[in-house]
Amino acid sequence: QVHLLQSGAEVKEPGASVTVSCNVSGNALTDASRHWVRQAPGKGLEYMGGFDPEDGETVYIQKFQGRLTFTEDTTTNTAYMELRSLISDDTATYFCAVDLGLGNNAFDMWGQGTTVTVSS
Amino acid sequence: DIQMTQSPSSLSASVGDRVTIACRASQNIVIHLNWYQQKPGKAPKLLIHAASTLQSGAPSRFSGSGSGTDFTLTISSLQPEDYATYYCQQSYNTLLTFGGGTRVEIK
Repeated sequence: QVHLLQSGAEVKEPGASVTVSCNVSGNALTDASRHWVRQAPGKGLEYMGGFDPEDGETVYIQKFQGRLTFTEDTTTNTAYMELRSLISDDTATYFCAVDLGLGNNAFDMWGQGTTVTVSS
Repeated sequence: DIQMTQSPSSLSASVGDRVTIACRASQNIVIHLNWYQQKPGKAPKLLIHAASTLQSGAPSRFSGSGSGTDFTLTISSLQPEDYATYYCQQSYNTLLTFGGGTRVEIK
């Protein structure tokens, strides 16, 4: 049984950085197409970017360019999302999501979500 | 970027009703279209992938159809546990995008 466990809620001041972790159990992280999605309060899902092993390319959505970095620790099977220079509009729930082999980047497993609040 | 437009943005329906949600892509995405269900405070769950393939474990009352630019999610007989928000997502290119969502409410 594959499970994605994310780190806990964060409260940050504007201008700070936040790192959210996503630990994968039951499957090798490197075998999955892994991505990040966020959802502002009361709003829809917003794709941030990710990595698909099929094309070997890390994608960052343009609006986050320069502020967003994805990293991974394969020894602990954990993915990380760092967002810098936070603004109030970054207040959202952040999800990691993976395609375990369906192809088509259909996310068949999601983390539980991490709430990030940006407030002074 | 490929824009995904869902309609309606919300609907009210009764238990047992047939419900249809539409999703339109701004360009041809063949069948690279996935559907998710999200309940308040929870992560989304995959219902349909590749436009019409029912995800393992998803109830058979859910079905998907369409290709090219126009897609549909159908719930054949709405159940109490189906009240949720539904999102389409295109995966035609690496810049994945979601529709704005359709909230299904109790009538």
